[in-house]
Amino acid sequence: EPEVTQTPSHQVTQMGQEVILRCVPISNHLYFYWYRQILGQKVEFLVSFYNNEISEKSEIFDDQFSVERPDGSNFTLKIRSTKLEDSAMYFCASSDRTSTETQYFGPGTRLLVL
Amino acid sequence: QKEVEQNSGPLSVPEGAIASLNCTYSDRVSQSFFWYRQYSGKSPELIMSIYSNGDKEDGRFTAQLNKASQYVSLLIRDSQPSDSATYLCAAAMDSSYKLIFGSGTRLLVRP
Repeated sequence: EPEVTQTPSHQVTQMGQEVILRCVPISNHLYFYWYRQILGQKVEFLVSFYNNEISEKSEIFDDQFSVERPDGSNFTLKIRSTKLEDSAMYFCASSDRTSTETQYFGPGTRLLVL
Repeated sequence: QKEVEQNSGPLSVPEGAIASLNCTYSDRVSQSFFWYRQYSGKSPELIMSIYSNGDKEDGRFTAQLNKASQYVSLLIRDSQPSDSATYLCAAAMDSSYKLIFGSGTRLLVRP
């Protein structure tokens, strides 16, 4: 069964450093998303991406964040200058055109900012 | 009112019983609802979606949607210890692709 994959599974970084989280969505999916979940809190929407551009973003997704689809398979989330409060699980999700709301999640990247 | 609300639990049921998980939502969310299961430290796993008023069954799971009461529920029949997890209710926003999640209900199935 096709699934969303994410790398790395864990990332530890120093405050102020840049991190890039990588995702490979399900192959025939066209809509891509990033969510995050701070420990013990809700899953929160960050950004959605379609047709090589951001379709929607939350107030969390400020200028420190960016997304990119550098090739036909990868979808990345970059945090330019990490803060302690960026420590969270980051989930990538994807959906197809027939049911854009039915989103399948990857295993996540646990980011720890020290 | 929060957009999607769930009781945090824990809800404790004996093995073999029916577990009933509930979720209420505000007017701002659309009529598309999803139940995800999340084991500790893992990602949300889609269980079911429901769009129309009434019941939708899939194996041991039944989702129920009552639009008049702005209420969606998930019933798990013949609960197993492996069903012990946090169950997340999510709704799609009108004119948006994003999902709004509730805080989740922790379910504990006692052997």
